[in-house]
Amino acid sequence: GAVVSQHPSRVICKSGTSVKIECRSLDFQATTMFWYRQFPKQSLMLMATSNEGSKATYEQGVEKDKFLINHASLTLSTLTVTSAHPEDSSFYICSASLGNYGYTFGSGTRLTVV
Amino acid sequence: KQEVTQIPAALSVPEGENLVLNCSFTDSAIYNLQWFRQDPGKGLTSLLLIQSSQREQTSGRLNASLDKSSGRSTLYIAASQPGDSATYLCAVRFNAGNNRKLIWGLGTSLAVNP
Repeated sequence: GAVVSQHPSRVICKSGTSVKIECRSLDFQATTMFWYRQFPKQSLMLMATSNEGSKATYEQGVEKDKFLINHASLTLSTLTVTSAHPEDSSFYICSASLGNYGYTFGSGTRLTVV
Repeated sequence: KQEVTQIPAALSVPEGENLVLNCSFTDSAIYNLQWFRQDPGKGLTSLLLIQSSQREQTSGRLNASLDKSSGRSTLYIAASQPGDSATYLCAVRFNAGNNRKLIWGLGTSLAVNP
C-alpha cells in the first residue's frame, strides 16, 4: 500500500534554532500533502496544504514565515519550524492524498524545544 | 459549518465485547469518510474508507457503515481485544469547498481490558 515516511520521529532542539521535518511518499507520487499539528489528547489541527511546485496554503492563524513548507518534488514535502520556541513543542504529522483512495499518514515527529 | 462529532469520547470495555463507535457529520454532501486509528505518540493508521456511494466497508473484525441522509457513520468492532486499545478518529471529506481537506472528529479513546 501507499506509504508515507516521516523523519525524524523525535527531535530536541534549542530555543531559537530551526528544525526541518521531511515527509516522503515512498511508492506513489503525492501532488498534495498536508501538515498537521497535534497537542496532547487533542485531535489533529491542519496547519497547511502543500502543493507540489506551488506555494503552500496555510490555515488561518498559522504563521507562514515561521512554518516554512517546501514541496519541490512529487515525493517530498518538508516543514521547517524556524526560530523554534518552547510553545512550538508538539507532535507534527504529515499526510498525503491518495485521490479517491483517501489519505495516508506519516508516523509523526515529536518536537521538543528546550 | 461543516463539523464532525464523535461519541463517546472515551470507552472502556472488557475483552471480547462487540462495540460501536459513532461519528456524525453536519452536511450530507460528502465525498468520502475515513476511519483511522492512532496509538499514543504515533501517527495514524487508516482502517476503512467509505466512498459517498457506498453503505459499508469491512476489514477483518471491523465494519464501518455510512448513512448520508442521517449524517452518521458507525465503526463496529467485533470481539474486541486489548490490542484494539487506541484512539479512533473519524474524518470526512466534504464535497463543497475545502479543497480536499479533511474535517476531523475529536476521536474516541478506547480501552479494552483483559
